Amino acid sequence: DIQMTQSPSSLSASVGDRVTVTCRASQTIRNYLNWYQQKPGKAPNLLIYAASNLQSGVPSRFSGSGSGTDFTLTISSLQPEDFATYYCQQSYSTPPTFGQGTKVEIK
Amino acid sequence: EVQLVETGGGLIQPGGSLRLSCAASGFTVSTNYMTWVRQAPGKGLEWVAVVYSGGNTEYAASVRGRFTISRDNSKDTVYLQMNSLRDEDTAVYHCAKTRDPRSFKGGWDYWGQGTLVTVSS
Repeated sequence: DIQMTQSPSSLSASVGDRVTVTCRASQTIRNYLNWYQQKPGKAPNLLIYAASNLQSGVPSRFSGSGSGTDFTLTISSLQPEDFATYYCQQSYSTPPTFGQGTKVEIK
Repeated sequence: EVQLVETGGGLIQPGGSLRLSCAASGFTVSTNYMTWVRQAPGKGLEWVAVVYSGGNTEYAASVRGRFTISRDNSKDTVYLQMNSLRDEDTAVYHCAKTRDPRSFKGGWDYWGQGTLVTVSS
């Protein structure tokens, strides 16, 4: 199975901050990498697919980059509604696997 | 409008069985990869099983031989039959559809709200 490692596990940030979350795969996954946002008690919400494509309806302050084994999710200007947990997920091979999550908290 | 609604969760003793249902609307389950993903309390996301558009199935190693995913095309419903349940199967179970009808590449764009399964004596 492909292991996905996110960093950091949590971070504190202020509204308006630029936030970056990284995700590393244990082997190359080309650009088969997706990002989700999850709020407490809710289902995950797809933000970015295929590493850098913004899902319909997702604000443009979210962006993704990377290929191979190293990927980044960036929030250009953190908004109050962005405080949540973020997960990366590889879709290169079965089983699909997730990172352990990055919790973005209010500073 | 696409919707996924899971039902069937509850409290069950170790070794017991439970069947979850996921009723879909706004699209056809038979032409999509349909997946179950679970989340243990306070933990991350874990893929459980998929039924492909062609009908083949695949499972996570942790549930293989105990869980069975299936679908009823006439009802646009996906099921997860869970047997020989263990404490570690306690989780919220979500069904989800792939963004691309016949590929995992684009991730899962619609998820149900989830149904809680608690395995405890």
